[in-house]
Amino acid sequence: DIQMTQSPSSLSASVGDRVTITCRTSQSITTYLNWYQHKPGRTPNLLIYRASTLQSGVPSRFTGSGSGTDFTLTISSLQPEDFATYYCQQSYTIPNTFGQGTKVEIK
Amino acid sequence: EVQLVQSEAEVRKPGECLKISCQVSGYSFTNYWIGWVRQMPGKGLEWMGIIYPGDSDTRYSPSFEGLVTISADKSINTTYLELKGLKASDIAIYYCARHSIGGSVASPFDFWGQGTLVTVSS
Repeated sequence: DIQMTQSPSSLSASVGDRVTITCRTSQSITTYLNWYQHKPGRTPNLLIYRASTLQSGVPSRFTGSGSGTDFTLTISSLQPEDFATYYCQQSYTIPNTFGQGTKVEIK
Repeated sequence: EVQLVQSEAEVRKPGECLKISCQVSGYSFTNYWIGWVRQMPGKGLEWMGIIYPGDSDTRYSPSFEGLVTISADKSINTTYLELKGLKASDIAIYYCARHSIGGSVASPFDFWGQGTLVTVSS
């Protein structure tokens, strides 16, 4: 299986902050990297796919970058509705493993 | 409108089996891979396996192979996740989700079911 390592596992930030979450894979996945937002009691929501393509309807403050083994999700200006847990997932090979998640909390 | 509607929460005793369902609508059921994802209490998302309803081609994560069975019934646009020999460690929310590109597993999950909470208690 491809191992996914997200960092940090949690962070505290204020509204308006720029937030960066990283995801590293144990082998190259080219750009088959997806990002999801998950709030308690809700279903996960696809934010970005193929490393940098914004899913329809997702605000432009979310951006993704990277290729190979190193990827980044950036929230340019954190909004109150962005407090959630974020997961990366590779869809390069089966099993399509998830990262362990990054919980973004209010400072 | 694409929808994935899962069966309601279930409570089972240790050792019992359980089959939870995910009925889809709003797209061609047979043309898209559907996956199952587990979230244990306070933990992250775990990819369990997927099925292509068109021909019932099924793939499992090694972590779940032999412990669960994924199946599909094309006549009612429904996929199932069967959990065998339930243990307390199976307590979790189980989600179904659709791969976004028809016929491709190299795509993200774009639509998700609402989740089914499974509780195991004697």
